[in-house]
Amino acid sequence: DVKVTQSSRYLVKRTGEKVFLECVQDMDHENMFWYRQDPGLGLRLIYFSYDVKMKEKGDIPEGYSVSREKKERFSLILESASTNQTSMYLCVTTMNTEAFFGQGTRLTVV
Amino acid sequence: AQSVAQPEDQVNVAEGNPLTVKCTYSVSGNPYLFWYVQYPNRGLQFLLKYITGDNLVKGSYGFEAEFNKSQTSFHLKKPSALVSDSALYFCAVRDWTGGFKTIFGAGTRLFVKA
Repeated sequence: DVKVTQSSRYLVKRTGEKVFLECVQDMDHENMFWYRQDPGLGLRLIYFSYDVKMKEKGDIPEGYSVSREKKERFSLILESASTNQTSMYLCVTTMNTEAFFGQGTRLTVV
Repeated sequence: AQSVAQPEDQVNVAEGNPLTVKCTYSVSGNPYLFWYVQYPNRGLQFLLKYITGDNLVKGSYGFEAEFNKSQTSFHLKKPSALVSDSALYFCAVRDWTGGFKTIFGAGTRLFVKA
């Protein structure tokens, strides 16, 4: 079975902290994506990557950065967390027409 | 720009009745369309997809969707709703112009009442 693992299900961080959200996939897929999910807004694309050390901005990259040092791992970084980054974060990997989702990380910034 | 619209925030239906969750899209080129479901406190699950071929696509849990090119729609349907179908449903389209991104609609919450 395909597996996409996000390091935390729930996180609480303070405003101004640097936050790392980790995602690991075991499928040797090249494409990986970070979305945030907010009620009434659906899933919005933050950043994505097609290969190691490669990254592309999605629709809402402000306040975020990413790192892809190894093919299986795609990290989302909140440089200085703010309360408007409180959200559910989803890691996704795709192969052809299939998409595989992590369980999500619910981040609360206080 | 590629986009997906789900015009209803919420759909209410009685158990045993047919259900429809609406989706319209805007893409350049041939669309790859998807429906996903999210049950409470769980991750997104794939329901069905349209890539090419028959306009009526059958998926998991008795769901189906009809691709209508002239109306640019991809509505999700089920002949007889179950209470256990209550969940959040997302329509999505694969955007090939920007390189394999998936664009999601805002989601429609389905409530099935016993």
